[in-house]
Amino acid sequence: QQQVKQSPQSLIVQKGGIPIINCAYENTAFDYFPWYQQFPGKGPALLIAIRPDVSEKKEGRFTISFNKSAKQFSLHIMDSQPGDSATYFCAASTAGNQFYFGTGTSLTVIP
Amino acid sequence: DGGITQSPKYLFRKEGQNVTLSCEQNLNHDAMYWYRQDPGQGLRLIYYSQIVNDFQKGDIAEGYSVSREKKESFPLTVTSAQKNPTAFYLCASRNGYTDTQYFGPGTRLTVL
Repeated sequence: QQQVKQSPQSLIVQKGGIPIINCAYENTAFDYFPWYQQFPGKGPALLIAIRPDVSEKKEGRFTISFNKSAKQFSLHIMDSQPGDSATYFCAASTAGNQFYFGTGTSLTVIP
Repeated sequence: DGGITQSPKYLFRKEGQNVTLSCEQNLNHDAMYWYRQDPGQGLRLIYYSQIVNDFQKGDIAEGYSVSREKKESFPLTVTSAQKNPTAFYLCASRNGYTDTQYFGPGTRLTVL
């Protein structure tokens, strides 16, 4: 059973657009929710992460929105650029133990 | 220059052979992880270790083995019992204070 469900599978936006990627989870014991960016042939790199005691976190052009009651969280990329074209993964973990990953979203930003 | 190194970058194996993938970190992290990545399936956990000389099976441990004799090293052996080993393998370590997970560059294993 998929612990973290991610959508959409792929996304195409124009430069300057705001792609939104969504994730949902069931385990209310999860207390750490990171987003990773991965370029082809490379390892994932942490973009931004949030804990359930806040509803939003911004770092540069990246924002996480967190809805604890709905058990959902999403990544927004402001003023998207072609260099943002990559695969994005959400994840969740409990007390930093095992991490559960979504299936990934392939983002393409058209110039 | 701190980080996680994985070697080799590409590995080719004949059916029936065991191969070992190297993972080394100099971040002084206690916890280390091995993931397998296949197209469209995200990252699936093979094994993880919270401390030296201890490790736990992840969701897809069958056909794999690990050891954790040193804090810096967490090698993964892909045995001949793994039915479909061709994949991209990622090693990671976790900062115990921030929970941030850091990934290595990966090893692409191809079975010929």
